[in-house]
Amino acid sequence: QVQLVQSGAEVKKPGASVKVSCKASGYTFTSYYMHWVRQAPGQGLEWMGIINPSGGSTSYAQKFQGRVTMTRDTSTSTVYMELSSLRSEDTAVYYCAREASYLDILTANQVGYFDYWGQGTLVTVSS
Amino acid sequence: QSVLTQPPSASGTPGQRVTISCSGSSSNIGSNTVNWYQQLPGTAPKLLIYSNNQRPSGVPDRFSGSKSGTSASLAISGLQSEDEADYYCAAWDDSLNGSWVFGGGTKLTVL
Repeated sequence: QVQLVQSGAEVKKPGASVKVSCKASGYTFTSYYMHWVRQAPGQGLEWMGIINPSGGSTSYAQKFQGRVTMTRDTSTSTVYMELSSLRSEDTAVYYCAREASYLDILTANQVGYFDYWGQGTLVTVSS
Repeated sequence: QSVLTQPPSASGTPGQRVTISCSGSSSNIGSNTVNWYQQLPGTAPKLLIYSNNQRPSGVPDRFSGSKSGTSASLAISGLQSEDEADYYCAAWDDSLNGSWVFGGGTKLTVL
């Protein structure tokens, strides 16, 4: 069965960096894009970016450009999300989410959705 | 401020039918499919509806989705206490370099 298992909670000081991991199992790691989504306390979901585990290419939300780096290790089927220059507003639960996609032949639309999510990693930024 | 607009709350009694709306624009809902996620308290989001109206295996047929123009809706019929959760709509947005956008979430209370 598909599983995404994330690393444990982190506490960081403002200005520091954090690196969260997401280990995939139960499917071919390089066949599905992986996304990172975060959720601040009591708030909604916010998309951060995507990594293609096959070639390692990435695309980041404009808000995080220059501060976020997503990487992968195909030998361990693990993706990583590193966020730098942390500030208090970065306190949130960070999720990895696998994207399933297909071409809808009837509409010629590319359909994508997040079919599996990690359990989440709480990152607390506090002095 | 979320790109997609949802009502912050909704409620119903057991057995009732409730709907949750999601409003967007031509660059997201107007040109791409909509997904819905359910988030039970203290857990990760779970896929509920994809491609506007498709249910993943295991999701009860009490849940249904629809889309018209730049808006989408999630309907829950035969409301049950275990449906009490936060619900989020999501769509790909074609503007700038493209990004996934979410609604602000709707907290459903079963009275």
